[in-house]
Amino acid sequence: EAGVTQSPTHLIKTRGQQATLRCSPISGHTSVYWYQQALGLGLQFLLWYDEGEERNRGNFPPRFSGRQFPNYSSELNVNALELEDSALYLCASSPGVGSGTGELFFGEGSRLTVL
Amino acid sequence: AQKITQTQPGMFVQEKEAVTLDCTYDTSDPSYGLFWYKQPSSGEMIFLIYQGSYDQQNATEGRYSLNFQKARKSANLVISASQLGDSAMYFCAMREGERQGAQKLVFGQGTRLTINP
Repeated sequence: EAGVTQSPTHLIKTRGQQATLRCSPISGHTSVYWYQQALGLGLQFLLWYDEGEERNRGNFPPRFSGRQFPNYSSELNVNALELEDSALYLCASSPGVGSGTGELFFGEGSRLTVL
Repeated sequence: AQKITQTQPGMFVQEKEAVTLDCTYDTSDPSYGLFWYKQPSSGEMIFLIYQGSYDQQNATEGRYSLNFQKARKSANLVISASQLGDSAMYFCAMREGERQGAQKLVFGQGTRLTINP
């Protein structure tokens, strides 16, 4: 069974540009989460999508946005990039509301560097 | 307020020794779940062990066990017989609310464990 896949693995952008990161959940999972991990820090919750809808959002500015597609894949968009947006962006999936312990299954992340 | 606190930024342990990684949490919800994840240098988060707030027994998974002390709100991870491959960042995380899955996890700042040969 394929795990959570993320693309691209690495992305280099300059300040002011836009970045788009993509995530495919484990087959059968309906929930997708996005986390930001700045260098040497813990994971900060960004967004949670379930069944195509945004369910929860972390304490991030509106230039961080995303969506979930009918096949449950998701993309994260970061507009007007700033230097401090440089981080590892981790996507995770879970079976969705009403099932399991709440364990999240993570991808290997997309490393965004803003110059 | 910090929901999950990991007070050890770094730990150094000799191979084959046991190691305890500390985690304390803060919640007023009677139903919650506690998780430990391992993050090697590759970046992927690997699930290790889960403890539910109503579970009577401490969780165990192979060499991993969770020392759950509910009254003290602590959920320490114990790794027995450490191996060189255990060197990684370790994160404690908590899910609040009823066991319905799909609530977000809140993570601590992590502990970097280094196993010396």
